[in-house]
Amino acid sequence: SAVISQKPSRDICQRGTSLTIQCQVDSQVTMMFWYRQQPGQSLTLIATANQGSEATYESGFVIDKFPISRPNLTFSTLTVSNMSPEDSSIYLCSVALAGERQPQHFGDGTRLSIL
Amino acid sequence: GQQVMQIPQYQHVQEGEDFTTYCNSSTTLSNIQWYKQRPGGHPVFLIQLVKSGEVKKQKRLTFQFGEAKKNSSLHITATQTTDVGTYFCAGWGVYGQNFVFGPGTRLSVLP
Repeated sequence: SAVISQKPSRDICQRGTSLTIQCQVDSQVTMMFWYRQQPGQSLTLIATANQGSEATYESGFVIDKFPISRPNLTFSTLTVSNMSPEDSSIYLCSVALAGERQPQHFGDGTRLSIL
Repeated sequence: GQQVMQIPQYQHVQEGEDFTTYCNSSTTLSNIQWYKQRPGGHPVFLIQLVKSGEVKKQKRLTFQFGEAKKNSSLHITATQTTDVGTYFCAGWGVYGQNFVFGPGTRLSVLP
């Protein structure tokens, strides 16, 4: 498995501001993903973070709202832009060590509350 | 688009009773994965099934993948309080669809 560190673990933000979440892995991985999980709900894939190219976004998520960086094979960031209360959620990064469709290992998540 | 459903949504059992959760996809899956999320925790990978009709066991947990690769089940024998959590199935569609998580089944085990 891998050690996946997410920062911050939680934050409370004002409406209209932006927050960048970091995800650091202790080994090089090709596949890294970002999810959103609203309280008591399932996980929804936001995007696949691709190293060296633009992230691949799922339907309903756009780059302007959720810009993603992937500068190398161990690190990625997700920014939640121009936040509103509807963005209050847990954001999780995950990695698939063995390839795209292989099991994923998750970070502890970032609990985000918007006032 | 691809949809994955799970039943039941909630299950309360007495410790020692068995538990089963069922997962159904609207499309054929290339594989199915099961994850467990403890309250306040992150999802933890349990198992992956790839072959039609596959059955895998992990101690008290038995996982099945349907013959048509559109459904799956997780059965826990003689539940323990450590089994408490939400069990999610998740799968990749055969035809390049998204990776979709089911809504999960929340298991409570009463001592």
